[in-house]
Amino acid sequence: AQRVTQPEKLLSVFKGAPVELKCNYSYSGSPELFWYVQYSRQRLQLLLRHISRESIKGFTADLNKGETSFHLKKPFAQEEDSAMYYCALSPRGSNYKLTFGKGTLLTVNP
Amino acid sequence: NAGVTQTPKFQVLKTGQSMTLQCAQDMNHEYMSWYRQDPGMGLRLIHYSVGAGITDQGEVPNGYNVSRSTTEDFPLRLLSAAPSQTSVYFCASSRTDSEAFFGQGTRLTVV
Repeated sequence: AQRVTQPEKLLSVFKGAPVELKCNYSYSGSPELFWYVQYSRQRLQLLLRHISRESIKGFTADLNKGETSFHLKKPFAQEEDSAMYYCALSPRGSNYKLTFGKGTLLTVNP
Repeated sequence: NAGVTQTPKFQVLKTGQSMTLQCAQDMNHEYMSWYRQDPGMGLRLIHYSVGAGITDQGEVPNGYNVSRSTTEDFPLRLLSAAPSQTSVYFCASSRTDSEAFFGQGTRLTVV
C-alpha cells in the first residue's frame, strides 16, 4: 500500500534560520511527489512537484529514490512561511488520486 | 477566476440527516476528487471522477455517494450523516499533467 510519512507534526524555527520538513514515502513503482501548503484561512495550494524541479518562494525539494524521501528545504525561513505543509504522492498521470501525509505545522518566529 | 467553488462553507447536521456538498469548477478540468481532512490525519480521498459519467471509490468511500453528470459539477452526498463524518471536506479538480486545484473547503459538523 502507498503511504506518505511526515514525522514532525510541529516545527518551530526562528526567522533567517534554515528549515527542513521531512517526507518519506512507500510506493511500488515511480510516483509523482508534491508539496502542498495551506496558509491560515486559505485553500490548499501546490508549492512544488518533483518533475518540475522549480524553486518556489525559496523552497526546494529533491527526490531521493534510494531513501524514498522528498524533503522540503529553505535556507532562510521567513515569517510568512508559517503554514501547514503536506507532502503527497500520486501514481504517474493520476493527480486526482493523491495520498497525503499527516502534515507539518511550521511556525517561523520573529 | 472562480476556480473550484464549494458550497456551503459551514454546515451543521443532525445524525441521520442527508445532505449534498456542492463542488463546481470552471476550468474545464476532466478530473475531480473529494477529500476529507481530519485533525492529525491529513487529507484522505473519498471518491474521484476521471470524466463525466465516470466515478470511482477512494480510500474512505463508506457513507458517501457521488455522481458526475457534467464536467463542471461533482456533488458529494451524505446519505445518513453520522458523527464520524464530522470533518472538513475539500473538492479538487485537475487535468493531465497539471496540479490539483482545491476549493476553500466545507466544514461539516454532525451532532
